[in-house]
Amino acid sequence: GAVVSQHPSWVICKSGTSVKIECRSLDFQATTMFWYRQFPKQSLMLMATSNEGSKATYEQGVEKDKFLINHASLTLSTLTVTSAHPEDSSFYICSARMTSPPYEQYFGPGTRLTVT
Amino acid sequence: QKEVEQNSGPLSVPEGAIASLNCTYSDRGSQSFFWYRQYSGKSPELIMSIYSNGDKEDGRFTAQLNKASQYVSLLIRDSQPSDSATYLCAVIFPHNFGNEKLTFGTGTRLTIIP
Repeated sequence: GAVVSQHPSWVICKSGTSVKIECRSLDFQATTMFWYRQFPKQSLMLMATSNEGSKATYEQGVEKDKFLINHASLTLSTLTVTSAHPEDSSFYICSARMTSPPYEQYFGPGTRLTVT
Repeated sequence: QKEVEQNSGPLSVPEGAIASLNCTYSDRGSQSFFWYRQYSGKSPELIMSIYSNGDKEDGRFTAQLNKASQYVSLLIRDSQPSDSATYLCAVIFPHNFGNEKLTFGTGTRLTIIP
């Protein structure tokens, strides 16, 4: 299958600081990427849809000013958690979607964020 | 009615047996269906995609799709302890045609007993 990378794989930051997470599709171009978060023993929760060259579409209840998404190229999307708080601690996972049917979606390995 | 329904399990299967995982979905117009495996603490991994009625085989895995019954299943033959994981069914619904975002079931936790 296709390969999607994320960096960093884990990060610890202090409350009030910002953290940037990168998501790259390594062997295919992805016009659309998705950002999810997952709390322990819970389901994946879609945060936003990231389209190359345009503004991200956020799911209901997700603060777009807090979770900044940039999809600057066909292989790179970034998620910046601004002014992080302990409640933002979670497992953040990106995925990249193939551009042709059946539109398979491949996930990155995830980034574990801990805010102290 | 939930859009994508799965039995949460846990489903316990003896090693070497066939594990059968089931999923139903709410919108008859759906076109693409996926099975993901997620180990604890890891991200989901795509196992199978299917979009035509019938069976699709890949190694020990077989996906089965019945659009009339709005049902998709995953069979795992010769189950191994390494197959123990949560299996997520995902569907692209017609209202998401355009961005093709996935709607996930809550997952079935599978345990293979040595």
